[in-house]
Amino acid sequence: GAGVSQTPSNKVTEKGKYVELRCDPISGHTALYWYRQSLGQGPEFLIYFQGTGAADDSGLPNDRFFAVRPEGSVSTLKIQRTERGDSAVYLCASSLGLADRTDTQYFGPGTRLTVL
Amino acid sequence: GDSVTQMEGPVTLSEEAFLTINCTYTATGYPSLFWYVQYPGEGLQLLLKATKADDKGSNKGFEATYRKETTSFHLEKGSVQVSDSAVYFCALYTGGFKTIFGAGTRLFVKA
Repeated sequence: GAGVSQTPSNKVTEKGKYVELRCDPISGHTALYWYRQSLGQGPEFLIYFQGTGAADDSGLPNDRFFAVRPEGSVSTLKIQRTERGDSAVYLCASSLGLADRTDTQYFGPGTRLTVL
Repeated sequence: GDSVTQMEGPVTLSEEAFLTINCTYTATGYPSLFWYVQYPGEGLQLLLKATKADDKGSNKGFEATYRKETTSFHLEKGSVQVSDSAVYFCALYTGGFKTIFGAGTRLFVKA
């Protein structure tokens, strides 16, 4: 079946601009996650949704970052007043949302954000 | 807090060589353990997983055994191919809804 999809695959923007990154999870997955992967590093957790609500947003670096999932499926990560340090690959993952450690997250191909 | 430590790369091997990528973890709970692979220009793919002690995860000739006594989950493959060249990430998940990743190990396989 279809995996997690993310658009755009690449986004180049200028410092100070606003960007939106979209994630379409696997059908039937109630849990959705955003991660950020800087060059040469592993992914770092940003935010987790169970259904429509953000159950854990402890990884968002500051209030310029915001994410929504209004209908419990597609999610949008929004970054205001972008800074050069925001340049990274933003990964989305989804899972069945099992409330135990057997749950497995499946990742999308990522959006590479470059802030000039 | 929870963390994952994996061997630094890059690891360079000749085709058909034996591969080991070391991974150790620290976790307050009882985690599930994963290896993800990232091929050039692609996203993260789940390679294998193990959910309890002494379980062995395996896929595509790769395997890793969950060792609770040594808090390790080393990745092995008996004979690597050029197509295995990628970045490999060890990760843990304790049910707290965030996966903790290691920094990744880049593998180069020469023909």
